Amino acid sequence: GIQVEQSPPDLILQEGANSTLRCNFSDSVNNLQWFHQNPWGQLINLFYIPSGTKQNGRLSATTVATERYSLLYISSSQTTDSGVYFCAVWRSQGNLIFGKGTKLSVKP
Amino acid sequence: DAGVIQSPRHEVTEMGQEVTLRCKPISGHDYLFWYRQTMMRGLELLIYFNNNVPIDDSGMPEDRFSAKMPNASFSTLKIQPSEPRDSAVYFCASSELGLAGGRLGGELFFGEGSRLTVL
Repeated sequence: GIQVEQSPPDLILQEGANSTLRCNFSDSVNNLQWFHQNPWGQLINLFYIPSGTKQNGRLSATTVATERYSLLYISSSQTTDSGVYFCAVWRSQGNLIFGKGTKLSVKP
Repeated sequence: DAGVIQSPRHEVTEMGQEVTLRCKPISGHDYLFWYRQTMMRGLELLIYFNNNVPIDDSGMPEDRFSAKMPNASFSTLKIQPSEPRDSAVYFCASSELGLAGGRLGGELFFGEGSRLTVL
């Protein structure tokens, strides 16, 4: 089946720093989403991005479907950005498959 | 607009008891998904429905688990009998179809989850 790999698995940042999270997938996909799971366990939609680039405030995402990867950029990180960031892909036939996530800790 | 609504938020029960988790999807969404999250296995799809019909239940761990969707606004996930290894957070999610040609891929929205502890 399709493999979804996220890197790095863990990331510690000082408040104000920038970061890039990566998601690689092993097969063609219908679509891709980025989620943030906050410390309270809620899964929050960040981006729904099959290709191209989208921006939302300090966050932006780029998906290059032909090369099977997506990047999530976080600029000027804040402590509230802490949590786990998941990439999830819609398979061509079937459902949404999640990566194992990147655990981000932003220190004040 | 209300999001996906799940209940209960927390459930603590004893081994052998029946557990029923409930979900109300976003109005107008024709796909509903049940996921389970554990530290060991991450987020796993258990089952999903399209227009109230189960499409893929290959992720349901065993016969102790069952799911129903009697109408477009309600679904249940039942565990009977429950075991300690069923302890996890169970998420319900819903989406529209989203893509042309009947392909899956609409934006998925999650409920806040039901945290189950089986003693």
